Amino acid sequence: EDKVVQSPLSLVVHEGDTVTLNCSYEVTNFRSLLWYKQEKKAPTFLFMLTSSGIEKKSGRLSSILDKKELSSILNITATQTGDSAIYLCAVRNQTGANNLFFGTGTRLTVIP
Amino acid sequence: EADIYQTPRYLVIGTGKKITLECSQTMGHDKMYWYQQDPGMELHLIHYSYGVNSTEKGDLSSESTVSRIRTEHFPLTLESARPSHTSQYLCASSTGQVSSYEQYFGPGTRLTVT
Repeated sequence: EDKVVQSPLSLVVHEGDTVTLNCSYEVTNFRSLLWYKQEKKAPTFLFMLTSSGIEKKSGRLSSILDKKELSSILNITATQTGDSAIYLCAVRNQTGANNLFFGTGTRLTVIP
Repeated sequence: EADIYQTPRYLVIGTGKKITLECSQTMGHDKMYWYQQDPGMELHLIHYSYGVNSTEKGDLSSESTVSRIRTEHFPLTLESARPSHTSQYLCASSTGQVSSYEQYFGPGTRLTVT
């Protein structure tokens, strides 16, 4: 059964801290792994990873995939209160529907 | 501006009522999806569509039904709402092309059935 597990489930940090969010997966015929940020509304797309070892970076956020370990990490440096959200990891397999298997997410709270 | 819309954003309704959750996208995407998410739980796919007149059930069984008569419109209907249907419903779309795997989500509809 396809599965995506995220850790930690919840994290509270102070502004300026660096955080690392983890995602591990078991998916038949893996195609890609995606990270989303979900605040009060719907998730917004952050990164898509398909190849191992290649870091994707956007401002203070970066992510990398390890296909050997079946995992990915999302790093946020110099956190700000606006980074407070649920971070969702999703994995896509080799089906025609482009469907995503989501983890439960990591709830990040950044306090001033 | 290309976007994906859902209405209503919030809905409180009594048991037994028929409801339709609307989803529209202006991006010309062929593929559309409905997800259900309970607080603290995973997003679960309940319906998807490859294109007009194509609908399939997702990995989570749902008593809802969908239709896809127009490319841009993918409404979800509950014939008789029950308290167990209380949840957040998220609509998404994607191009489905090899070079673009991202799904774009609408703002969601938070449904409460009393």
